[in-house]
Parts: sequence; structure tokens; C-alpha cells
Amino acid sequence: AQSVTQLGSHVSVSEGALVLLRCNYSSSVPPYLFWYVQYPNQGLQLLLKYTTGATLVKGINGFEAEFKKSETSFHLTKPSAHMSDAAEYFCAVRATGNQFYFGTGTSLTVIP
Amino acid sequence: DGGITQSPKYLFRKEGQNVTLSCEQNLNHDAMYWYRQDPGQGLRLIYYSQIVNDFQKGDIAEGYSVSREKKESFPLTVTSAQKNPTAFYLCASSIVGTGNQPQHFGDGTRLSIL
Repeated sequence: AQSVTQLGSHVSVSEGALVLLRCNYSSSVPPYLFWYVQYPNQGLQLLLKYTTGATLVKGINGFEAEFKKSETSFHLTKPSAHMSDAAEYFCAVRATGNQFYFGTGTSLTVIP
Repeated sequence: DGGITQSPKYLFRKEGQNVTLSCEQNLNHDAMYWYRQDPGQGLRLIYYSQIVNDFQKGDIAEGYSVSREKKESFPLTVTSAQKNPTAFYLCASSIVGTGNQPQHFGDGTRLSIL
């Protein structure tokens, strides 16, 4: 079975500081990994998706994610946090059978 | 622009009442999904469908029902058997098959009990 673990349900950073949101997955096959962002009372919006063969994936709004097979991780980063980055972030993996598995989410607070 | 439309945005249910949440997509996706979101619990799968006239139960299907009569539509009924229906409900769709095709989400329906 596939699963996704997000370490840290709440992360706070100062405006302009590095954002690091952690995601680890379990998968017996090459994974299809995604990061989504959710603003209050809205649906999930795709930030980025893993592409086979790439180690660093660039997404929207300046976010990046690094795929490390040896660590089964797909951590999300942004060099400089902006107030508008405050939101809930979800890591997800696509399994066979067209099912998707989501982490429990990380709430990002940006302190001015 | 293509996308997923959920309606209504807010819905109130009385005790013993069934309510239906609408989900329509114009992305030409074969697969559609319903999730329930509660604070701190992430997304939990209620039902999903990969083709018209077929659907499968997810992890928390009890108290819910769905239909898939058209490719574009996947309505969710919250029945009176669902004793704790207050939550945020999200509909999603995706292309069927392997690969890194993501899910696309609607803006959700927030259901509350009167």
C-alpha cells in the first residue's frame, strides 16, 4: 500500500526566510508525486508534480521540490517566504488503480 | 476555461434529511472523486468513479451515495445515515491511466447541520 507522511502539521517562518515542508512516501514502484496548496475555503491547487528522471522540480509561485529516492522524500522549498504563501500544503502520491493518497497537510504561517 | 464546478458553496442539513452535492467537470476526464476534509485529518476518500455507470467505495463510504450517469457529473448524496456530516467536501477529477497526471479540484462545498 502506498502512503504519504508530512512531518509537522504546523510550520511558521518569517517573511523572507526559507520555507521547508517535508514529505516522505512509501512506494514499491517509481512514484508519481505532487504538491498542492489550499487557501481557506477553497479547493486544492497544483503547485508542482514529479517528473521521472528529474531530481529538482520547479513549480508555481517560486516553489521547488527535490526528489530523493534513497530517502523516499519529496520535500517542498521556497527560498524566500511571502505573506501570500500562508496556506495549507498537501503532498500526494498517485497509485495504480487511479487512486491518490494524501498526507495530512502542513499549515504554513508567515510572520511579518 | 475547463474546470470543476461544485455547488452549492454552503449547504445546511436538517436532522433526518438527505442532501445532494453537485459536481460537474468539463475537462473530459474519465475519473472523478469525492473527498471529505476535516481539520487536521487531510483528505479522506468517500467514493470514486473511473467510468460512467461504475463507481467504487473509498475509505469512508458509509452514509453516502453517488451516481455516475454522465461523464461530466458525479453528484454525492449525504444520507441521514451519516451521523456526523459537518465537513468540507471536495470533488476532483483526473485522466485515467498511469503517469504523472494530477487531480484537479473544485472549490468545495461546506456542509453544516442545523
